[in-house]
Amino acid sequence: AQKVTQAQTEISVVEKEDVTLDCVYETRDTTYYLFWYKQPPSGELVFLIRRNSFDEQNEISGRYSWNFQKSTSSFNFTITASQVVDSAVYFCALSEAYDMRFGAGTRLTVKP
Amino acid sequence: NAGVTQTPKFRILKIGQSMTLQCTQDMNHNYMYWYRQDPGMGLKLIYYSVGAGITDKGEVPNGYNVSRSTTEDFPLRLELAAPSQTSVYFCASSYPQDTRSTIYFGEGSWLTVV
Repeated sequence: AQKVTQAQTEISVVEKEDVTLDCVYETRDTTYYLFWYKQPPSGELVFLIRRNSFDEQNEISGRYSWNFQKSTSSFNFTITASQVVDSAVYFCALSEAYDMRFGAGTRLTVKP
Repeated sequence: NAGVTQTPKFRILKIGQSMTLQCTQDMNHNYMYWYRQDPGMGLKLIYYSVGAGITDKGEVPNGYNVSRSTTEDFPLRLELAAPSQTSVYFCASSYPQDTRSTIYFGEGSWLTVV
């Protein structure tokens, strides 16, 4: 069965620090998708990135970057020069078929 | 662009009452889902539907029912509400062409059972 583990429950950093959120997954499928979602204090889920299992290229989008390593079943998310507005709960998720399984989330607090 | 719309946004129920959470999407997505998010936890799948007239159980279906009479609508019914159903409920939908594509979420419905 698919499983997503986000071992970091809470992280607190000071503005402008870099921070990496870890995500480890388990799956028996060779074809799958990995996602990151952001949930700000307002509660909605904001899609950040999707990566399929055949594409191990790292991706950078502004201050955000993602490191996908199949060898370690990890899909880590780094925020560079963090800002207060990055404070949120971040979820990693894995999709094999019809559904998406979520990790428990990492609460990131960025202090000014 | 409306996307996925859920109503109501907030609701307080008494134990034993019933209610329906409404969900509609205007993106012509075949796949629709209901998730619940308990405090401090990730999302868990309650029910899903791959098209009108087709529904199936997810990870935590007990105490809920769904129907899918149209492509657009996917209501979630809570029968005999219990305190354990206090949660935030998210409806979602995804592109019909690829079951593993991005899932789009509604804004959530906060339900408290007292």
